[in-house]
Amino acid sequence: GAVVSQHPSRVICKSGTSVKIECRSLDFQATTMFWYRQFPKQSLMLMATSNEGSKATYEQGVEKDKFLINHASLTLSTLTVTSAHPEDSSFYICSALETGSGELFFGEGSRLTVL
Amino acid sequence: GEDVEQSLFLSVREGDSSVINCTYTDSSSTYLYWYKQEPGAGLQLLTYIFSNMDMKQDQRLTVLLNKKDKHLSLRIADTQTGDSAIYFCAARGSTLGRLYFGRGTQLTVWP
Repeated sequence: GAVVSQHPSRVICKSGTSVKIECRSLDFQATTMFWYRQFPKQSLMLMATSNEGSKATYEQGVEKDKFLINHASLTLSTLTVTSAHPEDSSFYICSALETGSGELFFGEGSRLTVL
Repeated sequence: GEDVEQSLFLSVREGDSSVINCTYTDSSSTYLYWYKQEPGAGLQLLTYIFSNMDMKQDQRLTVLLNKKDKHLSLRIADTQTGDSAIYFCAARGSTLGRLYFGRGTQLTVWP
């Protein structure tokens, strides 16, 4: 089946630095990708919808200058957490919508820890 | 937006059936999903059901949908210790691919 790869799977960074997480569809094209954030023992909260070639659509309460999303190709979306703080520590999961079929596939998630 | 609710914990003995319940609020939701998440991992799609169906069976999994009550359930027959995980119910919104998730049900299977 279709695979969505997230990289890195785990990252630890110092407070104040920026971290980039990639979401890549390996064998299909995805015009639209979604970025979720999951707190421990909590549900997945949609952060933003990433559209290839255009600006991302952010959910209410999500700082777009803090969480930069770029969807430069049909197979790659990136989430950059800028000036990270410990409260940004979380599990970030992306999903990719296969163009044409409309099927949705999830990545394995990226665990961010900010010290 | 849509609200999706599910119970947080369920414990069963190995070999018993597990039933995980979910309710949602948007009657126009067309697709309803069940995902499994193991510790530190992403989401694995288990099954989904169209809103015009009331039951779907796939091997050990049975999904029941009561559209009138906006109630969804997932039954796992002959539950195994490997089924221990968090199970998320999700409803599809009007935007293609946009899902609303419940908080997840932690299923613990005792040997």
